[in-house]
Amino acid sequence: DTAVSQTPKYLVTQMGNDKSIKCEQNLGHDTMYWYKQDSKKFLKIMFSYNNKELIINETVPNRFSPKSPDKAHLNLHINSLELGDSAVYFCASSQDLVNEQYFGPGTRLTVT
Amino acid sequence: AQSVAQPEDQVNVAEGNPLTVKCTYSVSGNPYLFWYVQYPNRGLQFLLKYITGDNLVKGSYGFEAEFNKSQTSFHLKKPSALVSDSALYFCAVRGGNQFYFGTGTSLTVIP
Repeated sequence: DTAVSQTPKYLVTQMGNDKSIKCEQNLGHDTMYWYKQDSKKFLKIMFSYNNKELIINETVPNRFSPKSPDKAHLNLHINSLELGDSAVYFCASSQDLVNEQYFGPGTRLTVT
Repeated sequence: AQSVAQPEDQVNVAEGNPLTVKCTYSVSGNPYLFWYVQYPNRGLQFLLKYITGDNLVKGSYGFEAEFNKSQTSFHLKKPSALVSDSALYFCAVRGGNQFYFGTGTSLTVIP
C-alpha cells in the first residue's frame, strides 16, 4: 500500500485555469505538508496542517489554497494558474511537527 | 535567521570509497536535523534524524551522520559508496514550527 499518494501524477494546463491536486496518507499521521520543487530542485514549503489546522502558511500567493477535509487528506487548489507555477508539487506527512516526513511521489504541473 | 546550508552542489566519489555530504545549520534552540534522499522522478525518502542523544546517528542503507554542536554541522557519511547511492541529498532542520531544507547536493558515485 502506498503511504502517501497524490493525484494526478502529471497535470498540463493553460494559464488562467483553476486546478486541484489531491493528497492522501494512510499512515495515521497528524501533520501534512505541501512543498514546491522548482526546476533547480530547490524545495520550498508552502503549507502545513496539523490536526486539520493550518500551522504554516509561507509567503505563497493567495491563488494557492489548501483544503483539509480530514486528517488523512490535504488537497491543494490553485486558481488563475501562471507560467511560474510550473513545478513539481510534493505532499508529505509526519506523525507530528517534530518527526520525519514521508513524501508522496509528486505532481508535475506544467502551465502553458 | 534560521537556515540550513549545503555548501556543495555536486559531490563525486569512486565506488567503494567513503563519502561525505556536508550540512551546516543555524537555528535557535535545540535543532532537529534530518537527511533525505531523492532519486530521479521520485519523492524524498527519509534517511535519518537527530533529535537528541548520541551524536552519531545511523540510518537507512548504511548511512550515518554526526551531529556537531560546536560546528553547527550534521554531515552525512557512508564508509563505502555504492553506484546506487547516486542521487540528490537534502539536509533539513526544524526550527520552531517550520522546516528548512537545504538546496540539495547531487552525489555521483563513479564505478
